[in-house]
Amino acid sequence: GAVVSQHPSWVICKSGTSVKIECRSLDFQATTMFWYRQFPKQSLMLMATSNEGSKATYEQGVEKDKFLINHASLTLSTLTVTSAHPEDSSFYICSARDPERTKGNEQFFGPGTRLTVL
Amino acid sequence: GENVEQHPSTLSVQEGDSAVIKCTYSDSASNYFPWYKQELGKRPQLIIDIRSNVGEKKDQRIAVTLNKTAKHFSLHITETQPEDSAVYFCAASGGYQKVTFGTGTKLQVIP
Repeated sequence: GAVVSQHPSWVICKSGTSVKIECRSLDFQATTMFWYRQFPKQSLMLMATSNEGSKATYEQGVEKDKFLINHASLTLSTLTVTSAHPEDSSFYICSARDPERTKGNEQFFGPGTRLTVL
Repeated sequence: GENVEQHPSTLSVQEGDSAVIKCTYSDSASNYFPWYKQELGKRPQLIIDIRSNVGEKKDQRIAVTLNKTAKHFSLHITETQPEDSAVYFCAASGGYQKVTFGTGTKLQVIP
């Protein structure tokens, strides 16, 4: 299947700092990528849809000024958590669709990034 | 928007028995229903999916059924093994639209 990578796999930061997470599609081009957040023992909650060359679409309740998304190329989307606080500590997972495979329905997930804010 | 409910939240079965997880969805426009297995700290893995033009799909020990009229779909795992222990998520999506996940089922297979 298609391969999606994320970097870093884990990060620890101090409260008030910003953290950038990268999501890359390694063997396909993704015009659309998705960012999810997963708290312990909970489901994946979609935060935003990242569109190459245009603004991201945020889900209700997700602060766009706090979670900055940039999708500058067909293989890279970044999520920046600005002014991070302990309640932002979570598992952040990205995914992408490959329109050339499986009719574009299947999402390919990155390995996730564990963010801990002290 | 789409709302996906999943039951049960936890499920314990003896090795070799079958496990069934059920989901309902609300948006009649949804036409793609994937099931994911997630191990602790790992990414979700697609184990099977079904599209709305099909009522049932099987892949070895795993099967999924879909009732579009009732907006129900279910995952069936037969001959369960300890390595099947994980959290399972159902999900629903409409074409190229976003995927909405269910709340998850923690499956424990007891040897």
